Amino acid sequence: DTGVSQNPRHKITKRGQNVTFRCDPISEHNRLYWYRQTLGQGPEFLTYFQNEAQLEKSRLLSDRFSAERPKGSFSTLEIQRTEQGDSAMYLCASSPTGSSGANVLTFGAGSRLTVL
Amino acid sequence: DAKTTQPPSMDCAEGRAANLPCNHSTISGNEYVYWYRQIHSQGPQYIIHGLKNNETNEMASLIITEDRKSSTLILPHATLRDTAVYYCIVRFNTGNQFYFGTGTSLTVIP
Repeated sequence: DTGVSQNPRHKITKRGQNVTFRCDPISEHNRLYWYRQTLGQGPEFLTYFQNEAQLEKSRLLSDRFSAERPKGSFSTLEIQRTEQGDSAMYLCASSPTGSSGANVLTFGAGSRLTVL
Repeated sequence: DAKTTQPPSMDCAEGRAANLPCNHSTISGNEYVYWYRQIHSQGPQYIIHGLKNNETNEMASLIITEDRKSSTLILPHATLRDTAVYYCIVRFNTGNQFYFGTGTSLTVIP
């Protein structure tokens, strides 16, 4: 097991273009999370999947953002019509299912987006 | 409202214990306290978590006050590689949002 994998690690794009990030979670983890982190700030929650179901979405996830996890394994985060304000590190995390109690997230290294 | 409050920065001499405080006065009875750290340009790394009792693992110790309104992360012998931003986190309400805040930037000084 190589942990949570994110690709690409870096993406530079022009304003108005679409970009897609991929996250491969730890194989036995049912839960998958996307966070966004801007310079000097802590990670901000975007959305959460339990298997293939998207169960929570932050108000930060505007209609230009869409996340999918079609087979309950890897996930993609697409940003349409990118804006300069979308420049950030996009972090993916996964965790095992637990009916109650602690929920430890394992994060990937992140995908850094720069919108010119 | 912020779920956690941490000092923005701290220094610690190499080899000494680093004590990082966190206030979480609105924590609910079944919410865990988690600590993560983030080294520049990397994803957050899990350190430790606890509910009521103090916890220790190979990385750190977590001391939670009896009223659970605050906690302290202790790195017993800080090294230069411990220089990072340390986040104290509680789960947001009953959902799965983990509120990170802005953390404490710890600098270990040689």
